[in-house]
Amino acid sequence: DSGVTQTPKHLITATGQRVTLRCSPRSGDLSVYWYQQSLDQGLQFLIQYYNGEERAKGNILERFSAQQFPDLHSELNLSSLELGDSALYFCASTRDGSNQPQHFGDGTRLSIL
Amino acid sequence: GENVEQHPSTLSVQEGDSAVIKCTYSDSASNYFPWYKQELGKGPQLIIDIRSNVGEKKDQRIAVTLNKTAKHFSLHITETQPEDSAVYFCAASKNSGYSTLTFGKGTMLLVSP
Repeated sequence: DSGVTQTPKHLITATGQRVTLRCSPRSGDLSVYWYQQSLDQGLQFLIQYYNGEERAKGNILERFSAQQFPDLHSELNLSSLELGDSALYFCASTRDGSNQPQHFGDGTRLSIL
Repeated sequence: GENVEQHPSTLSVQEGDSAVIKCTYSDSASNYFPWYKQELGKGPQLIIDIRSNVGEKKDQRIAVTLNKTAKHFSLHITETQPEDSAVYFCAASKNSGYSTLTFGKGTMLLVSP
């Protein structure tokens, strides 16, 4: 158990809809990272937050947004969903934002019908 | 940006054999190289990591080697067991204050009894 909690485990929705994925980092971790994992693209970094502030952006679409709340949990919002957004979405956390091992949750599987 | 290439994409071995997975990276400033194991339905789990100030690191049956000049690093698993079967990912990052991981595409390791 990594200590990182992601909910829900599975999400099924339709094109054009909006969903919110939730992540609770390990106790004491201030930094949260979001990744998308698909069969053809592997693990792609989306965005990083540190203590409530955005710190780094990767290949995140404009239809996607995230935030980190004062209690340090984070939410990833995906809107105007397309079939290609079907993927596993992982959250990871570290103590701070520096070069440290990232600990991953078990992900949310998003299926767009 | 950083690019990480990982080979092979699949690897089949007999129980007790050794397995080697190789990765190359493009950014000479990268200095942190973790390896993750991902089992079906789970998030990536850190199994070993190495920093650029060392050339080799061992943890029981697992070892990682790093050649900074050639910009490649490898994972070595000895005396493989069926429970080693999983997808393995290499990654690289640099200490730029707020670093992000770039992952290889993964290697599916199958250990046959």
